[in-house]
Amino acid sequence: AQSVTQLGSHVSVSEGALVLLRCNYSSSVPPYLFWYVQYPNQGLQLLLKYTSAATLVKGINGFEAEFKKSETSFHLTKPSAHMSDAAEYFCAVTRPGGTNAGKSTFGDGTTLTVKP
Amino acid sequence: DTGVSQDPRHKITKRGQNVTFRCDPISEHNRLYWYRQTLGQGPEFLTYFQNEAQLEKSRLLSDRFSAERPKGSFSTLEIQRTEQGDSAMYLCASSLGLAGSSYEQFFGPGTRLTVL
Repeated sequence: AQSVTQLGSHVSVSEGALVLLRCNYSSSVPPYLFWYVQYPNQGLQLLLKYTSAATLVKGINGFEAEFKKSETSFHLTKPSAHMSDAAEYFCAVTRPGGTNAGKSTFGDGTTLTVKP
Repeated sequence: DTGVSQDPRHKITKRGQNVTFRCDPISEHNRLYWYRQTLGQGPEFLTYFQNEAQLEKSRLLSDRFSAERPKGSFSTLEIQRTEQGDSAMYLCASSLGLAGSSYEQFFGPGTRLTVL
């Protein structure tokens, strides 16, 4: 079984401030991990992915995330928030092999608000 | 690459009616996934296909829901005898489902269903 917990359903930051969105996962096997962003009335867009290579992963729009096995975490960060970052963010865990390989479980999301 | 497309984008129906949604995946992707998303929640897994084979259907899915992918290309999701609780965004995604791939999912824009 696998699961994802996103701590904080709403995060608010000022423009230019650090963005930190938290994701903790549970998986019976070493997982693949993903962060997606969703703008209103749109589908999900991939920000970045961890697939067991480098633990620090860089994605689009200046976002990055670090895989920490000991903490079962995959937190998303961005040094300086921009107004256009306001959206909903989802963390997902995926089995890399075996039964149900490729099947993803998503967290409930974190809504990021950026204040001017 | 035209991306994943879904049709219709919006559907309003009366309780008890049947509805059918279509998803066209990225052409070279052999995996296709259906999710349901309600306000404030992450995508909830419904079912997925590898080529034309349906690999798994969520145990939470009632028998009123059925999905097909007859030729391993586009897929349809049908909901029979709709209920107000079926109101949600229905998301389709596709990916490569090969051993060693990242199983990165590409999402369509979704179909928003409103049941009156």
